[in-house]
Parts: sequence; structure tokens; C-alpha cells
Amino acid sequence: DAGVIQSPRHEVTEMGQEVTLRCKPISGHNSLFWYRQTMMRGLELLIYFNNNVPIDDSGMPEDRFSAKMPNASFSTLKIQPSEPRDSAVYFCASSLHREVNEQFFGPGTRLTVL
Amino acid sequence: QQQVKQSPQSLIVQKGGISIINCAYENTAFDYFPWYQQFPGKGPALLIAIRPDVSEKKEGRFTISFNKSAKQFSLHIMDSQPGDSATYFCAASFTSGTYKYIFGTGTRLKVLA
Repeated sequence: DAGVIQSPRHEVTEMGQEVTLRCKPISGHNSLFWYRQTMMRGLELLIYFNNNVPIDDSGMPEDRFSAKMPNASFSTLKIQPSEPRDSAVYFCASSLHREVNEQFFGPGTRLTVL
Repeated sequence: QQQVKQSPQSLIVQKGGISIINCAYENTAFDYFPWYQQFPGKGPALLIAIRPDVSEKKEGRFTISFNKSAKQFSLHIMDSQPGDSATYFCAASFTSGTYKYIFGTGTRLKVLA
């Protein structure tokens, strides 16, 4: 299995631009998680899907952030408009929604907003 | 009540020494406690995990000690090696209902050769 795939791996954009991060979970997994990692705040859960349905979006910082999962094999995290404080590494993880669930993380997208 | 507190923030250990990282939680409903290891430029990966019905779990040089009454758990790395240099995250989760993790803030471990 290829594991969780994220694209792009690096993104540099200017303040005010729209940014779209993409994730392909492991085939057969039915839960998907978006995390943000910064030095100051560590690893924060932004949103969590189960069977393509958003279950918990309490970590989404504000309305500028949105996430979708149109099917079991694809999810996007969009930031519009982007701000310099959004600079971070964004991880996608997937798992089987079951007891003792190991989350498998992708390699992350390093976002820099100038 | 959902927080997981992790310490220390950073740790430097000599090769062959023991590395100890501690975590504390508040919500007694948590019933799954994984540790993740993250190397620079990579995503975190599961290292070892424990359920609260046991007090210790060992896998190779890595051991989790769990104290249910104190609501604390710790990771011990025996015979620490330079290749263990990474950031370690503890987490707490539920095994029913929502399966999301609550992560600690991470410990950056450096093992000196």
C-alpha cells in the first residue's frame, strides 16, 4: 500500500490567496483526520471525517478554513483567504473506525504564507 | 478535561542512557493511550500503545508505564540510540464513540553519540 498521500508537499503563497491541500487516505480506511502542526501549538486536530461525513470540526480555526470529503478516497482542506499565521505543516491521517484505531499519517504539506 | 499534558518539552540523553517522557490526562473515560514517533520532515507514526487494564507494555527497548490512579503514563526508551532522536507525542483516545486522539505537545529527544 502506498500509505496516505498528500499534495502538494510544499506550498508557498501570498497572503490573501486561496490554498487547497489534498489527501488520499489508505484504501479501505473509513476515518480521515486533518491536523495542523506548529512549534507553538504542537499537533492540533482540525477536523475528523467518518464515512465521508464530518464528525467533529471543532478544531477548525475560523471560517477561512473548510474541508470536504466528496468520496472515500479523497479529501481537501481549503484556506481562503490565507494569512501568514496559517503557515504550518498540515497532516492528513486515516484509520479504520474501530476500537484501538491506529492513525496512519501522510508526509504532510508545509505551507508558507508570505 | 480533554487535555493531555506532556513533559519535558525537550530531552538530551547520552547514548546508552534511559529516556523518560511523561504524560498526564484528566478525563478518566480515555481508554487508549498511544505514543507516536516523528522524524524531521515525516509524519508521526505509531510506536507503541497501551490500554488502561495493564500497567506496563514493553516492545523491544520501548516501554509504556501506566498509572491509572494517578492518571499518568510514561514512555521509557532503554539503551537510547542516536537513531531514536525524534519528537515523541503521547495521546489519549476513546475506543467507542469518537475515536479522535488528543495529543500531548510533544517532546524533542536528542540522543548524543
